[in-house]
Amino acid sequence: AQTVTQSQPEMSVQEAETVTLSCTYDTSESNYYLFWYKQPPSRQMILVIRQEAYKQQNATENRFSVNFQKAAKSFSLKISDSQLGDTAMYFCAFMKHRSTSGSRLTFGEGTQLTVNP
Amino acid sequence: DADVTQTPRNRITKTGKRIMLECSQTKGHDRMYWYRQDPGLGLRLIYYSFDVKDINKGEISDGYSVSRQAQAKFSLSLESAIPNQTALYFCATSGITGTGGFGELFFGEGSRLTVL
Repeated sequence: AQTVTQSQPEMSVQEAETVTLSCTYDTSESNYYLFWYKQPPSRQMILVIRQEAYKQQNATENRFSVNFQKAAKSFSLKISDSQLGDTAMYFCAFMKHRSTSGSRLTFGEGTQLTVNP
Repeated sequence: DADVTQTPRNRITKTGKRIMLECSQTKGHDRMYWYRQDPGLGLRLIYYSFDVKDINKGEISDGYSVSRQAQAKFSLSLESAIPNQTALYFCATSGITGTGGFGELFFGEGSRLTVL
């Protein structure tokens, strides 16, 4: 079974600064997907970024980028130029590649990020 | 209108009552899921369905049942609600190839259930 761990329950950052959220996972799979989801106070779950394990290049989406270290089973999210609208709960999630069980995600515990003005 | 709609958005009920949470989607996806979110635990999978005739248990199915009435509808029932089922419940969908990419889940807005 897969496990996902987010060791930082809460973090804060000043507006316009950079922050990194940590995520580690445990799996025996060699190919898989990793995701970061954002949950603002509206409680909507929003996909932030996706990484395919067989790709060595780290994924980037505008101000969001990841540091994917496959050997270390680490998948951190970096948010650059933080904005007040980035205040949210962030979840790291794991999915087996081409799983016969569909898009079943295993989620971490979440990190509550607060961006201060 | 939202692509994945959950009703009710909020519900307060009493111990022992039967409660149904409903989910409908307009994305045309075949796969639907019910997750439960608790503080400090993240989201955990309750049930998932690949099509109307295929329903599978997730990590925490005890105390819950589901019904896939149609491709677009997937409901979650608590036959006899208990206080530790107080949580935020999410319905989600995904397609075989995935609109927006393989594996992406599209979530509803959540149903907050409080069991007194």
